Parts: sequence; structure tokens; C-alpha cells
Amino acid sequence: EAGVAQSPRYKIIEKRQSVAFWCNPISGHATLYWYQQILGQGPKLLIQFQNNGVVDDSQLPKDRFSAERLKGVDSTLKIQPAKLEDSAVYLCASRGQESTGELFFGEGSRLTVL
Amino acid sequence: QKEVEQDPGPLSVPEGAIVSLNCTYSNSAFQYFMWYRQYSRKGPELLMYTYSSGNKEDGRFTAQVDKSSKYISLFIRDSQPSDSATYLCAMSLSTGANSKLTFGKGITLSVRP
Repeated sequence: EAGVAQSPRYKIIEKRQSVAFWCNPISGHATLYWYQQILGQGPKLLIQFQNNGVVDDSQLPKDRFSAERLKGVDSTLKIQPAKLEDSAVYLCASRGQESTGELFFGEGSRLTVL
Repeated sequence: QKEVEQDPGPLSVPEGAIVSLNCTYSNSAFQYFMWYRQYSRKGPELLMYTYSSGNKEDGRFTAQVDKSSKYISLFIRDSQPSDSATYLCAMSLSTGANSKLTFGKGITLSVRP
């Protein structure tokens, strides 16, 4: 079974530029999450999708961050304009119907904002 | 107060040592408790899962939950260099469609050969 795919793995941009990250979850997983992990911290939920609907985006900085999952499969997270404090690893995770609610994570997209 | 607090690190131990990793939490409604392991430049992977209070053992790993104290622990016996990673505790209110995980900040463990 293929895992969660993310791209790009690494991105370096100047502040005020824009960037987009892509995620393809495990086939059949209806729930998709974007987490932000700043160096030395645990992952922080940015947005959660159930199919193509948003379940929770309460911690998404909506003035600069946006995310979509138009067809209920893959998803894109965009930052525009980027700030220095956005430097982090952006982790995508998906979840199936397992009773444990286990999240399966991709390897992450590492963003450096200069 | 953060919802989930995790003992600060980093932690360095010799091979073969017993390791104890701990988290406390403030939300008594949490029911599901997990430990994720994250190797450098990789995504987190589920290591242990426990529902409500009690112990769960899997090989060299034991997860312990004390809901009365809002305290969870992960014990690693006979630690190996391959156990060197960041360990994240995580917890959720449910496992339903709208469930989400709240993570601790993680502790980096280094096991010296």
C-alpha cells in the first residue's frame, strides 16, 4: 500500500513570496490533515478535511494560508505572503476507518523563509 | 497551560538502558492516547496506542495511562541505537470522523552504542 505522498520535500523562498504544497493521501482515506511542525515543537493542526469538506480550520491563519481538497482526494496548502515565522515542516496525514484513529503521515515539506 | 505537556529533552542514554518518557495533559475528556516515533527528516509513525487507563506492552515498549493523574508514559526496555528518534505523545477525544490528534512537543532520544 502506497503511503502519503508530499511534494516538494524542500522549499526555500524569500519573505512575502508564495508557496504551495501538495499532498496525496493513502487511497480510500477520507480524512486528510495538514499539520505545521516548527523546529523543536510537536505538530500543530492547521486544517482537517473530511472528503472535500472542511471539518476544522480554527488554527489556520486565514489571512495568509489557504487549503483545498477539491475532489476529496489530493490537497494543496498555500501560503501567500510568507513570513519568517512560517519556516517549518508541513506534514500531511490521512486517516482511514481503523478504530484506533491512527494517522498516517507523509515525510513532510520543509519550508525555509529567508 | 498547554493541553499536552511533554518532558523536555534531549535525552541521551547508553545502549541497554531503560527509558521513561512522560506526558501530562489538562483535558480530562481525552480518551485515546498514542505515542508516535519520528526519525530525522521523516513523518511521525504510530508506535503505541492505548484506550483509556491501563498498560499496553509491545515487545520492548510499554505504554501506560493514568487518567486520574492525567499522566501517560512510554517505557523502552533494552534501548537500542535504532531507538534514537523523537518521541511524540498524542491524544484525542474520540476516533470518529471528526477526531483530531493533539500532540506534545516531543522529546529527542539518543541511544549511545
